[in-house]
Amino acid sequence: GESVGLHLPTLSVQEGDNSIINCAYSNSASDYFIWYKQESGKGPQFIIDIRSNMDKRQGQRVTVLLNKTVKHLSLQIAATQPGDSAVYFCAEQPSGGTSYGKLTFGQGTILTVHP
Amino acid sequence: EPEVTQTPSHQVTQMGQEVILRCVPISNHLYFYWYRQILGQKVEFLVSFYNNEISEKSEIFDDQFSVERPDGSNFTLKIRSTKLEDSAMYFCASHSDHQPQHFGDGTRLSIL
Repeated sequence: GESVGLHLPTLSVQEGDNSIINCAYSNSASDYFIWYKQESGKGPQFIIDIRSNMDKRQGQRVTVLLNKTVKHLSLQIAATQPGDSAVYFCAEQPSGGTSYGKLTFGQGTILTVHP
Repeated sequence: EPEVTQTPSHQVTQMGQEVILRCVPISNHLYFYWYRQILGQKVEFLVSFYNNEISEKSEIFDDQFSVERPDGSNFTLKIRSTKLEDSAMYFCASHSDHQPQHFGDGTRLSIL
């Protein structure tokens, strides 16, 4: 069945370090992947996305890597700041049909950045 | 930057009562969703809505749930007879074609 999971439920880093958050997905029909950040009391906030025809995409201080062979997704945050502390979710979406847009979320990783 | 807005931020309701959660999606978006998140758990898909009809619904979205887009701006989730296990954060999301979903800050629903 569909599932998206995370290897590390918590990650603690020092300010300025680089952070890597990992995610495994099982639905090979998924072709669109998104990373969301969720702060306490807020909804998921879009960070970066990637489609299955790519293996890397970069944003401002963030990079997403997609390895379709092993169904693995990662989020890299460069020069992590205390404001990056939050729960990070990966989400996957199938390619089309009636399930278009239906996001399946992973369990989440708590990132804590120490000053 | 345009936002998805949800009201109320917190709803407390007696078990068995009806509740309506309201959302105003981003104005040019065409696809609308409801998700829920039980405390400490992952976000779960409830229902997707496009072209004035439900596209897909999850097993959670049973006959007690319904959605409506009564006008050009609002998107509502109704639970007819609430149960204790309906207590959760409910998130509305929307997007335009081939764009990521944007989420509101949610409604915390507490069933007593």
